[in-house]
Amino acid sequence: DAGVTQSPTHLIKTRGQQVTLRCSPISGHKSVSWYQQVLGQGPQFIFQYYEKEERGRGNFPDRFSARQFPNYSSELNVNALLLGDSALYLCASSLSLGGNQPQHFGDGTRLSIL
Amino acid sequence: GQQLNQSPQSMFIQEGEDVSMNCTSSSIFNTWLWYKQDPGEGPVLLIALYKAGELTSNGRLTAQFGITRKDSFLNISASIPSDVGIYFCAVLLSVHTGTASKLTFGTGTRLQVTL
Repeated sequence: DAGVTQSPTHLIKTRGQQVTLRCSPISGHKSVSWYQQVLGQGPQFIFQYYEKEERGRGNFPDRFSARQFPNYSSELNVNALLLGDSALYLCASSLSLGGNQPQHFGDGTRLSIL
Repeated sequence: GQQLNQSPQSMFIQEGEDVSMNCTSSSIFNTWLWYKQDPGEGPVLLIALYKAGELTSNGRLTAQFGITRKDSFLNISASIPSDVGIYFCAVLLSVHTGTASKLTFGTGTRLQVTL
């Protein structure tokens, strides 16, 4: 069975541009979460979606937005890119929102801002 | 925000040696997880811990979180070269009055295995 898939794998943008990252969860998983991982650090929570609704949001500016589609796939959108947005963006899926549902990660999208 | 401190920060060991790493928090958590991340890949779940004081194994890996629920350890027995990577502890935090949960990750332990 396919795991969490993310696209694209790498992306280069310039300051001020906008970017959209995509994620397909594991089949049967209804919850998708997004994390940002800066080099040398652990992932930081950005959003969690379940049944197409935002259920949680981390400490990120409004330039970051996301949505979840009826097939449970998700997009993360970042506007007005800054140099500090350069990071690995990870998507994780889980069966539901429950605390005993482990999150499984994709391999991420490496975003570089010039 | 919540911080999970992992020790050691990095370690070099020889193939065949046993490895032990720790994760500590100033707050109590009821769910602890251990992930491994290889270069260019996402974190892979190794062990999920749901009951304080209970030892949980996954092959050569063994983990537990303490009865104070403020710390956890991960042991790797008889290390092999493919054990190389960064190991993260993580805890589950409820957000929005329990309708969502987010992972908070530790600072990571980088493991390198020499032949």
